[in-house]
Amino acid sequence: QKEVEQNSGPLSVPEGAIASLNCTYSDRVSQSFFWYRQYSGKSPELIMSIYSNGDKEDGRFTAQLNKASQYVSLLIRDSQPSDSATYLCAGSNTGNQFYFGTGTSLTVIP
Amino acid sequence: EPEVTQTPSHQVTQMGQEVILRCVPISNHLYFYWYRQILGQKVEFLVSFYNNEISEKSEIFDDQFSVERPDGSNFTLKIRSTKLEDSAMYFCASKQDRGNSPLHFGNGTRLTVT
Repeated sequence: QKEVEQNSGPLSVPEGAIASLNCTYSDRVSQSFFWYRQYSGKSPELIMSIYSNGDKEDGRFTAQLNKASQYVSLLIRDSQPSDSATYLCAGSNTGNQFYFGTGTSLTVIP
Repeated sequence: EPEVTQTPSHQVTQMGQEVILRCVPISNHLYFYWYRQILGQKVEFLVSFYNNEISEKSEIFDDQFSVERPDGSNFTLKIRSTKLEDSAMYFCASKQDRGNSPLHFGNGTRLTVT
């Protein structure tokens, strides 16, 4: 199993809908989890960090972590066309090594 | 807000030439990283650097690659003899401390090897 796995998509949702992005991880990833947004040709931009089981909300974004199932997700409420991007799931271990998924391409259709 | 700065934004070089990609991490950050992303592909780890030495490196980071922190602010990636397949976006990133802090990425250097 890869350290971090994501469905590559593409995922399309209509404007105003909820976009759900999912990620699973292996035992090598244990410490912290992050969601990055990457627009085409740009660098990854941090959206959310989550370290503990449960939900963490920031505006229209909610990250969910389930350590028992080794699963982390990102919900984007009221999706906007400007949310169209590739979303990278990443996890880190205690050695400060980061593992990135392949990214999920999201398109929000006006 | 402090940011990671990378120069140049675009570098074109001929195969076999040496290139140096430069980065200025956020000033109070302790951990430094280089990643690369070939067009349309995933972000790939190259190397991490802490306390003036390499802490981890990937299989991609072979003998043609080296990193240096020459003066306490700059963090450089050198590719000694570039190959066509080195064409990619190279991202520098830094991390504040050993805890749960995230990676902060620079804007990247697009390297084109012709």
